This record gives sequence, structure tokens and C-alpha cells, in this order.
Amino acid sequence: SYELTQPPSVSVSPGQTARITCSADALPKQYAYWYQQKPGQAPVLVIYKDSERPSGIPERFSGSSSGTTVTLTISGVQAEDEADYYCQSADSSGTCVFGGGTKLTVL
Amino acid sequence: QVQLVQSGAEVKKPGASVKVSCKASGYTFTSYGISWVRQAPGQGLEWMGWISAYNGNTNYAQKLQGRVTMTTDTSTSTAYMELRSLRSDDTAVYYCARATNYYDSSGYYIGYAFDIWGQGTMVTVSS
Repeated sequence: SYELTQPPSVSVSPGQTARITCSADALPKQYAYWYQQKPGQAPVLVIYKDSERPSGIPERFSGSSSGTTVTLTISGVQAEDEADYYCQSADSSGTCVFGGGTKLTVL
Repeated sequence: QVQLVQSGAEVKKPGASVKVSCKASGYTFTSYGISWVRQAPGQGLEWMGWISAYNGNTNYAQKLQGRVTMTTDTSTSTAYMELRSLRSDDTAVYYCARATNYYDSSGYYIGYAFDIWGQGTMVTVSS
């Protein structure tokens, strides 16, 4: 089965850049999507198709891809960005998979 | 506005079944799929499956095959998820989410993601 691996936690100070990686264990890599989830809330899509940003998502959120690893980058991190972040993709059969999630702490 | 509104919290005994509803509004229901995603307390997101609101085709997560059924009622723009033979480890918040298809520049289908989410339904399984 297709698996996505994320670091459990990332910590940054306000104003710094946070990078959260998501590694796929299979080739070819499918496109990836990123979600932000704050405590007690439903997830919100922040990046789709590896690097595209939905309307309403701040420009400080960006995504990139290299080989079988995708990266969510948050530039100029703000306190409100503290949340859990999940990557998501799908295998060739359409079966969806989520990464284990990364807790972003703003120091 | 585009939204998904789910039914309320449920408490069930082990071995029972639960059926959660998800009513869509603000968009053409049959133009998208609906996925169900659950989250156990303190844990990550787990995809349960997908249903096409257009033709009812389904794709279930392998670990839930045989216990889960997803359906839609296009007359009311409502999706349903039924989970049977409940166990304590089914205790979770259950979300429905609109599944939007994405295509590359050549029009080739490349996958889907969840751009609208319901508010979540807490299902507690306890004796």
C-alpha cells in the first residue's frame, strides 16, 4: 500500500520559515495536497496539486515537489499558523492516503 | 455558501451500527464526490472511502470493507455513511468532505482532494 511519511513535529519562531516534508514510498509519485487542522476544527485545504494555493489561503503558504518528497513551506510564520498539518495523496486505484501529520509549534 | 452539514453526535454500544448524514448546499451535488474521513481522539486523519454523487460508484478503504456502506440521496443532496459491527476503536470524529477532481494541463486526471469539509460528527462506542 501507498504510504506518506511526515515528521511528527516542527518548531519555529515567529517570522521564521517552517518547512514540513512528506515522503512517498512509491514511484511514480502522485500529486500531493496539504491540510491545516487547528484544535477542534475540521481540516482546511491549503495546497493542492503539489504547489497551488486555493483562494483565501495566505501567500506565505507554498508547496514544492522533488522526486518522491513534497514540502509545505510557511514563510514568515505567525502564531495563528500553529496547527497540525497533513499531506494527502492517492494511489493509482484512487485509494486516498494521509500522512501521519506534523504538529507545527510556533515558539 | 458552499457547505456540508453533518448530523449530530452518537453514542453506540459495541456491535451496533451508526449512520451519519452529510447535507450539501451551495453547489451542484452530483458534480462532485464525497469522501468520509475519521479521526480517533488525539490521532491523525484516516480515509474511509469515497462515493460518486453522480452515479453512486464507491471505493472503500480496505480495512473497512464489509463494515462500511456509503450512499447518496440526490433528491436531498445528502450523503450517508453507515458503519456496522462497531468496536471501541471506531470511536472518532467522522467528517464528510467534498472530493474535487484535479487535472493536468493536458486534461489528464491526476487525483482528488477535499476542498469543503463538514463540521464533524463524534461517534462514541462504549458499553
